[in-house]
Amino acid sequence: GENVEQHPSTLSVQEGDSAVIKCTYSDSASNYFPWYKQELGKGPQLIIDIRSNVGEKKDQRIAVTLNKTAKHFSLHITETQPEDSAVYFCAASKDDYKLSFGAGTTVTVRA
Amino acid sequence: KAGVTQTPRYLIKTRGQQVTLSCSPISGHRSVSWYQQTPGQGLQFLFEYFSETQRNKGNFPGRFSGRQFSNSRSEMNVSTLELGDSALYLCASNEFRGQSTDTQYFGPGTRLTVL
Repeated sequence: GENVEQHPSTLSVQEGDSAVIKCTYSDSASNYFPWYKQELGKGPQLIIDIRSNVGEKKDQRIAVTLNKTAKHFSLHITETQPEDSAVYFCAASKDDYKLSFGAGTTVTVRA
Repeated sequence: KAGVTQTPRYLIKTRGQQVTLSCSPISGHRSVSWYQQTPGQGLQFLFEYFSETQRNKGNFPGRFSGRQFSNSRSEMNVSTLELGDSALYLCASNEFRGQSTDTQYFGPGTRLTVL
């Protein structure tokens, strides 16, 4: 099955700096790559997603890039704010409605 | 538009018992997926239902089962509970936007503790 690896497992950044999280996937048939943010006591919240026919997508301070050849994708958060502190998960999926998740990255934004 | 509703939010059971969790998807969504989240194994796919049919199943034992009703509400059942079943069980409501893979919106989860 699909194997998604996510790095780093923890990330501490100064408020206003950028944060980058990287993921790799194993199944070249995967074609959908969402990113979720999970706060304590809540379910994962979709923050951005990208499909395999697109190389980059941006939504305000958040951007995702996809390299299909290398089978990796990344999340970039610019101008980080304290409310960006949370656990972030990457995931990959093919046409089977099943998401395979990375292990998560705990992001702490220092004021 | 109301979000995904999961009930109950917290549940405590003892080993050997069974449990039923409920999920109401976003209005208009006909597909529901279930995931188990634990500190050790992370987020793992359990199964997915569309129009009352299970279309995909993860690598979990037969003690884990589910169903979907005609109004798209879904339930999952775990029989003969084990300590290792303690987890956050998440339901996702799946939207079809004309792409081949649905966007999934998660509910708040049901925290199950097995004693």
